[in-house]
Amino acid sequence: EPEVTQTPSHQVTQMGQEVILRCVPISNHLYFYWYRQILGQKVEFLVSFYNNEISEKSEIFDDQFSVERPDGSNFTLKIRSTKLEDSAMYFCASKWKVGTSGIKEQFFGPGTRLTVL
Amino acid sequence: GENVEQHPSTLSVQEGDSAVIKCTYSDSASNYFPWYKQELGKGPQLIIDIRSNVGEKKDQRIAVTLNKTAKHFSLHITETQPEDSAVYFCAASSGTDSWGKLQFGAGTQVVVTP
Repeated sequence: EPEVTQTPSHQVTQMGQEVILRCVPISNHLYFYWYRQILGQKVEFLVSFYNNEISEKSEIFDDQFSVERPDGSNFTLKIRSTKLEDSAMYFCASKWKVGTSGIKEQFFGPGTRLTVL
Repeated sequence: GENVEQHPSTLSVQEGDSAVIKCTYSDSASNYFPWYKQELGKGPQLIIDIRSNVGEKKDQRIAVTLNKTAKHFSLHITETQPEDSAVYFCAASSGTDSWGKLQFGAGTQVVVTP
């Protein structure tokens, strides 16, 4: 069964450094998402991406964050200058392939644990 | 915006008993309600979902009910097994657009003891 993959599984960085989290969504899916989960808290929406542009973003997704789909398979989240409070598990999700009925179902990757020191 | 509340935060059940997790939502425009199971070190896995035009949906030992008037929905797991132990999240999504961001509840830690 196809699945969303994410790399790395764990990223440790120094405060102020740039990090790029990588995701490979399910092939032929058209909508892409990033969520984050601070330890012990809710999973929070960050950004949605469709047709090569951001379709919606949350208040968390400020100018330090950016997303990109550099090629036909990867979807990346960049944090330009990391802060301590960016430490969290970051999940990528994707949904919907043309010709299928499940336009609502989002499939999540295993996550990248980001630790900012 | 949408706010999803989930109860209880922890739930301990004996193997074979039933488990019920309840969620409420605030946005009457929400029309899609998935449930995710998250095992330790893994991402959320979709286990069942329900749309607002349906009151109940069942898949083997798992069922979800939706009360649109009261704005609450529940997950029911019958004949629980140790492998059902995990964190369960409810979520809600508005139907006003296709972007479909999910608003999650805080999660319920379910522990099934043999």
